[in-house]
Amino acid sequence: NAGVTQTPKFRVLKTGQSMTLLCAQDMNHEYMYWYRQDPGMGLRLIHYSVGEGTTAKGEVPDGYNVSRLKKQNFLLGLESAAPSQTSVYFCASRTGTDYGGMNTEAFFGQGTRLTVV
Amino acid sequence: QKEVEQDPGPLSVPEGAIVSLNCTYSNSAFQYFMWYRQYSRKGPELLMYTYSSGNKEDGRFTAQVDKSSKYISLFIRDSQPSDSATYLCAMSAGSSASKIIFGSGTRLSIRP
Repeated sequence: NAGVTQTPKFRVLKTGQSMTLLCAQDMNHEYMYWYRQDPGMGLRLIHYSVGEGTTAKGEVPDGYNVSRLKKQNFLLGLESAAPSQTSVYFCASRTGTDYGGMNTEAFFGQGTRLTVV
Repeated sequence: QKEVEQDPGPLSVPEGAIVSLNCTYSNSAFQYFMWYRQYSRKGPELLMYTYSSGNKEDGRFTAQVDKSSKYISLFIRDSQPSDSATYLCAMSAGSSASKIIFGSGTRLSIRP
């Protein structure tokens, strides 16, 4: 049972380069999220999706784009990387089904450590 | 003003001590309150969740929610070195609400 898998785990980019982070989940979850985690800042929501073909902006969406062409995959793109995007990126997923509160658990991937130089 | 405020610590206590971790929030629509634990270089994992106000106990862990004060707490009894981690509070407006908002996390260290 893989859960939430993020690819790659580490990456170093030069300023201005582009890249795509892949998140895959095998739990048939409706909701998927991309967060970034910086020291002292906790987890900040970048973009999220409530279903295949839908995306929405979170707290810090600037400089990022996302796509959810398949239910199990959520892609995060950086078109022109900047040093301010150096961070650890976490993908998460959870079910959208209401079980009276039992659905609130979000499952996280192991993170992608991105450095932009 | 951030929707969820959490003291980042770090907090260091001796083994066996009672630990109190806290968060405050500003959005009165929050109904689901969660605590996640994150070990170094790992993704967060759900530790406990509560709905609305009240207490919930699970082994050495107790979560409290005071909606009137917009204040939540996590207590750890008989703390162990294995409890050393970052603890993040998280909140959402409803069980099917799409967004989960996290606090900044408190780094906890339990000294043997």
